[in-house]
Amino acid sequence: QSVLTQPPSASGTPGQRVAISCSGSSSNIGSNNVYWYQQLPGTAPKLLIYRNNQRPSGVPDRFSGSKSGTSASLAISGLRSEDEADYYCAAWDDSLSGVIFGGGTKLTVL
Amino acid sequence: QLQLQESGPGLVKSSETLSLTCSVSGGSITSSSYSWGWIRQPPGKGLQWIGNIYYSGSTYYNPSLKSQFTISVDTSKNHFSLKLSSVTAADTAVYYCVRLLGALQGPRFDPWGQGTLVTVSS
Repeated sequence: QSVLTQPPSASGTPGQRVAISCSGSSSNIGSNNVYWYQQLPGTAPKLLIYRNNQRPSGVPDRFSGSKSGTSASLAISGLRSEDEADYYCAAWDDSLSGVIFGGGTKLTVL
Repeated sequence: QLQLQESGPGLVKSSETLSLTCSVSGGSITSSSYSWGWIRQPPGKGLQWIGNIYYSGSTYYNPSLKSQFTISVDTSKNHFSLKLSSVTAADTAVYYCVRLLGALQGPRFDPWGQGTLVTVSS
């Protein structure tokens, strides 16, 4: 069971906006930045969002991140079929003194 | 463009030692701005951070894992390595090598290697 809690699945139709949540505690999300990774089928994860809401070069602005208190959220607008992937949140945990990942959310584009 | 490539045996026998190497190309492993790490993913499961190393040799490991992991760096070969002793079936996973930009308290892993599947057999 992961310290960061994500819904196991999410879905949407093309063009829709979907949001994926990541719930933590005061020792991780509450006091540290959140990072998001996208893992397309059969490939290695890729950095999608860093420092809560920053996009690396090359990541479309359809992807956005936010954080409030001990929770974070990844939003994808204008959903496309190629967005179908697993999404993971990550953060440092002060109590565990280590990097932790959420359990991952499988996004299906219907 | 920096690229990472894992190499090592795909099959290891239970109780033996697993050794993996990550070759870094397109950049130097000696940059003080980065550290280098390993993350694994059991089949069908999520991601687990194993540890990181700076080129100076300073290492940081996941405290929740048993201390059977060792990460080392060879600056002359521009690569870093992972050793896991006394493997069990639970260590079967895809192992990714990564570069960490900045401090561990901000886990900005970019880029990732393509990953290598390690299967532990009995």
